[in-house]
Amino acid sequence: GAGVSQSPSNKVTEKGKDVELRCDPISGHTALYWYRQSLGQGLEFLIYFQGNSAPDKSGLPSDRFSAERTGGSVSTLTIQRTQQEDSAVYLCASSLNRRAETQYFGPGTRLLVL
Amino acid sequence: AQSVTQLDSQVPVFEEAPVELRCNYSSSVSVYLFWYVQYPNQGLQLLLKYLSGSTLVESINGFEAEFNKSQTSFHLRKPSVHISDTAEYFCAVSPNTGGFKTIFGAGTRLFVKA
Repeated sequence: GAGVSQSPSNKVTEKGKDVELRCDPISGHTALYWYRQSLGQGLEFLIYFQGNSAPDKSGLPSDRFSAERTGGSVSTLTIQRTQQEDSAVYLCASSLNRRAETQYFGPGTRLLVL
Repeated sequence: AQSVTQLDSQVPVFEEAPVELRCNYSSSVSVYLFWYVQYPNQGLQLLLKYLSGSTLVESINGFEAEFNKSQTSFHLRKPSVHISDTAEYFCAVSPNTGGFKTIFGAGTRLFVKA
């Protein structure tokens, strides 16, 4: 069975441009998470979805960051007016919609803002 | 709110030696505890987790972790490491009430030398 997939795998953009990162969770997983991993840092929680709803958006660093999920499946993380400090690996994970379920991670999107 | 502290950013150790990777957490509510591992050039995957019951949990590859509520710790141990254990290890917590937000530590890079 397919795991969590993310696209693109790498993205280089210029400061000020908008970027969209995509996550395809494992089929049947209704919980979906976005994290950011900066060089030398741990995983920074950004947002999670239960179905199409995002009960906790507290981790989004600024109003330039937004995320949505449609059809209880694919999710997109959008960063507007990118800044150099947005450069990081953005990880997506999915799990069954039950507490303490194992999260299955995608390979990540490596974003570089020049 | 929860926080996770991994006290060692890097742990070098010789093959067949024992190792302990330390994790302390802070939380106003009861939590579930996890260790995830990221092997070189691979995605994160669950190593083991504590939900309830016995405070000692084990993984299939010889790691174990013990939940110590009084010390708010969840240290990871292995009595004899292999070269193949070289990886980055992340401790994480998730509340057992409310939402699914998961907080990760900064990670500990275990480097096993021959």
